[in-house]
Amino acid sequence: GAGVSQTPSNKVTEKGKYVELRCDPISGHTALYWYRQSLGQGPEFLIYFQGTGAADDSGLPNDRFFAVRPEGSVSTLKIQRTERGDSAVYLCASSLTGGLTYNEQFFGPGTRLTVL
Amino acid sequence: EDKVVQSPLSLVVHEGDTVTLNCSYEVTNFRSLLWYKQEKKAPTFLFMLTSSGIEKKSGRLSSILDKKELFSILNITATQTGDSAVYLCAVELSHAGNNRKLIWGLGTSLAVNP
Repeated sequence: GAGVSQTPSNKVTEKGKYVELRCDPISGHTALYWYRQSLGQGPEFLIYFQGTGAADDSGLPNDRFFAVRPEGSVSTLKIQRTERGDSAVYLCASSLTGGLTYNEQFFGPGTRLTVL
Repeated sequence: EDKVVQSPLSLVVHEGDTVTLNCSYEVTNFRSLLWYKQEKKAPTFLFMLTSSGIEKKSGRLSSILDKKELFSILNITATQTGDSAVYLCAVELSHAGNNRKLIWGLGTSLAVNP
């Protein structure tokens, strides 16, 4: 079956612009995660959704970052007033559930965001 | 502050060598430790470890966790050029309710030369 998909694969924008990054999780996966990975770093947790609700958004760096998952499937990460420091690969992952039993997180290919 | 530290940061070996990658952690609510292999953009899952002293094995890869000393190692025997990748260690935290979070190390960049 299809894995996690992310669009666009690459996004170049100018400082101050607004961007939206989309994640399509594996069908039936209720848990969805967003991570940000800068060059030479490990992924950094941003936000975790269980169904439609953000169960943990403690990783969002500031109020310019916002994510939604209105129907419990596709998620959109939104970044307002982009800054050069936002340049990174944004990874999305999904897992079957986010419950007490561990479920493997499957990662998408990522969106490479470049803010000029 | 929760942190995961991997060493070495980079490693260059020849095909056939055996390598050991290290991951140590300091976290407040440990649930599990995971190893991932990252070749391009998306990490792929290797192992999940929750109990001390129980080796997980998959082909030439194996891993073990020490919850007393707070570290894990990933071993790769008879390395091949296809093993060249960044190996990431992540610790899953246990929070109230069903909230889950992974804290990631910086990774070890492994290059296997023919």
